[in-house]
Amino acid sequence: DAGITQSPRHKVTETGTPVTLRCHQTENHRYMYWYRQDPGHGLRLIHYSYGVKDTDKGEVSDGYSVSRSKTEDFLLTLESATSSQTSVYFCAARFSYEQYFGPGTRLTVT
Amino acid sequence: GEDVEQSLFLSVREGDSSVINCTYTDSSSTYLYWYKQEPGAGLQLLTYIFSNMDMKQDQRLTVLLNKKDKHLSLRIADTQTGDSAIYFCAEEDAGNMLTFGGGTRLMVKP
Repeated sequence: DAGITQSPRHKVTETGTPVTLRCHQTENHRYMYWYRQDPGHGLRLIHYSYGVKDTDKGEVSDGYSVSRSKTEDFLLTLESATSSQTSVYFCAARFSYEQYFGPGTRLTVT
Repeated sequence: GEDVEQSLFLSVREGDSSVINCTYTDSSSTYLYWYKQEPGAGLQLLTYIFSNMDMKQDQRLTVLLNKKDKHLSLRIADTQTGDSAIYFCAEEDAGNMLTFGGGTRLMVKP
C-alpha cells in the first residue's frame, strides 16, 4: 500500500457543509492524486499535486479544492458539499511509474 | 479526451482461464496498467506493460498489447475464487496522468 492512509474512512454529512478528507503518506512521494469512484465511471481524477504547494486540476475538479503544505499530507476539501459528491474517494501516490492507492473514503452527502 | 473501455462483467469457472479486454484511444500512451479491486478496498496494482512491448508474463498473469488496434488484455490462468474482483485497466499519457476504464467485474464460480 506504499504507506498511504486516508481519514476518515467513512463520513456522512449534510448538503451545504464543508468537508475535508485527508491523505497521508510515509514514503516521501512527490506526486499525489485524488480520485473519485462512481459506478460505471471507473476512477476520475479530481486534483493532483507535484510537490509542496504545487497542485493542478484534474478531469472533475469543480466543487473541490486541495492543499499540500507538507510532502506527506494531501487534503481534499469540499467547500459546500452537494449530493452529487456522494462517492468513494481514493488518494494515490506515485513511485517511479506506478501509482499506489489508499483504502478509500466513503462519503455520503444527505 | 482519452477514453478507455472495458466490458462490464465476466463469469468463469474455477480452473479455467479468464481474459479481460480493454480498448483505449490515446495513441501516445506510455504505460498501460491493470489494477484489481476487492470489495471495500482500494486498487491494487497487478501488472503493467510499457507501450513498446507486446506481451508481458508474470506468474499466472499474461498481458497482451496490440498497439495498432489499441487493445489490451489480461489473461489469468487457472482462475481461482480469490480472483473474483473488479479489474481496471488504465492508460498513462505523456503527462503521467492515468485514465481508467469503468472496470470489469470477474465472477469465479466453484
